[in-house]
Amino acid sequence: EPEVTQTPSHQVTQMGQEVILRCVPISNHLYFYWYRQILGQKVEFLVSFYNNEISEKSEIFDDQFSVERPDGSNFTLKIRSTKLEDSAMYFCASSTQTGGNQPQHFGDGTRLSIL
Amino acid sequence: AQKITQTQPGMFVQEKEAVTLDCTYDTSDPSYGLFWYKQPSSGEMIFLIYQGSYDQQNATEGRYSLNFQKARKSANLVISASQLGDSAMYFCAMRDLEGSGYALNFGKGTSLLVTP
Repeated sequence: EPEVTQTPSHQVTQMGQEVILRCVPISNHLYFYWYRQILGQKVEFLVSFYNNEISEKSEIFDDQFSVERPDGSNFTLKIRSTKLEDSAMYFCASSTQTGGNQPQHFGDGTRLSIL
Repeated sequence: AQKITQTQPGMFVQEKEAVTLDCTYDTSDPSYGLFWYKQPSSGEMIFLIYQGSYDQQNATEGRYSLNFQKARKSANLVISASQLGDSAMYFCAMRDLEGSGYALNFGKGTSLLVTP
């Protein structure tokens, strides 16, 4: 069964450094998402992306964050200057469409640790 | 604004028994979808089941069923014949099905432990 692939599985970065989290969505999916989950807390929406542009973003997704689909397969989340509070599990998800009963399929996540 | 509430931080169930995980929600959207996801200790998020607000019948997927009571705004997950591998965090989530609401809004989750 096709799946969403995220790399790396664990990223350790010094505070203030830039980090890029990578995702390969399911190949026929058109809508892409990033979520984060701070340890012990609920999953929070960051951003959705369709047709090469952001379609929705949350208050968490400030100017430090950006997303990009640099080619036909990858979808990246960049954090420009990481802060301690950015430490979390980051999930990429994709879906065939936003409406109806189409679920968002999640990757295994990237655990980001900021030192 | 949407709100998802999962009031059970932790649940225990004996293997082969059925268990119900509670989820209540609040929304002003007339059309919405409700989802359940499973998160094992390894961390991945696994989609389990979906219920649309206008669906006439409760959703079922194998051992998972959704007890949807629209008037009470509840969408409880029922797992029948529990297995040890069902031990995980379970998250209820919802989204608007109209307009531009793309985001899944998650509850805080319920930790389920299945005992032998």
